[in-house]
Amino acid sequence: NAGVTQTPKFQVLKTGQSMTLQCAQDMNHEYMSWYRQDPGMGLRLIHYSVGAGITDQGEVPNGYNVSRSTTEDFPLRLLSAAPSQTSVYFCASRSRRGTDTQYFGPGTRLTVL
Amino acid sequence: AQSVSQHNHHVILSEAASLELGCNYSYGGTVNLFWYVQYPGQHLQLLLKYFSGDPLVRGIKGFEAEFIKSKFSFNLRKPSVHWSDAAEYFCAVGFNDMRFGAGTRLTVKP
Repeated sequence: NAGVTQTPKFQVLKTGQSMTLQCAQDMNHEYMSWYRQDPGMGLRLIHYSVGAGITDQGEVPNGYNVSRSTTEDFPLRLLSAAPSQTSVYFCASRSRRGTDTQYFGPGTRLTVL
Repeated sequence: AQSVSQHNHHVILSEAASLELGCNYSYGGTVNLFWYVQYPGQHLQLLLKYFSGDPLVRGIKGFEAEFIKSKFSFNLRKPSVHWSDAAEYFCAVGFNDMRFGAGTRLTVKP
C-alpha cells in the first residue's frame, strides 16, 4: 500500500491564482481530511469528509473548497490564492471507526506571493 | 467544538531525563484524545490515543499518557528521553472535527 499520497510536494503561486492540491489513499478509508500547519499554531482542520459525496467544514474553511466523488480521492481547491494561505498542507485518512489510526500524507508546502 | 491547549512551546532536556508534556482540553463530555509526533521533515505519526477504559495509555517508543478527567488533562510522559525523541509533539482532541494544540518542540541535549 502507498498509504496517503499528496501532490505536488512544493508549489509557488501568485496572489489570485487557483490550484488544486491532490490527495489520494489506497486503504479504502471512509474518512479523509485536510489540515494546514503554520508555525506556532499546530494543525488546523480545513475540511473533512466521512465518505464519498459527504463533506463538512472544519476550523478554517474559508478560501478552500473540497469535493469527494470517490473513496480514494479528496482534492483541496484554492479558488483565488492569498498570501495568508502560505502554509504546509497535510491530508489524512482513517477508517470510519474513530478508534482506528489516522494516517497522514507527506504534506504540500505552498507559498503564495 | 472542543479545543486543546499545550502550555509548553519548547522543552529542553538532557538525554536520560524524564519527560512530561502538558495537554488540557476544553470539553468535559466524551473525549477522544491523541498524541502525535512529528520528526524533522516528516509527517505526523500517532504515538497513542485514548477513547475509554484505563486512563493510563501506553503507546509506541516507551511513551505513555494519563487521562485525568477532573483536571481535563492528558499529559504525555516518558521516563527517559533519547536523542532520537527530539521532535514536535501535538496533542489533539475530537472525532471527525479534530482540533490540535499548538505543539511542543522537544530538544534533547547530549
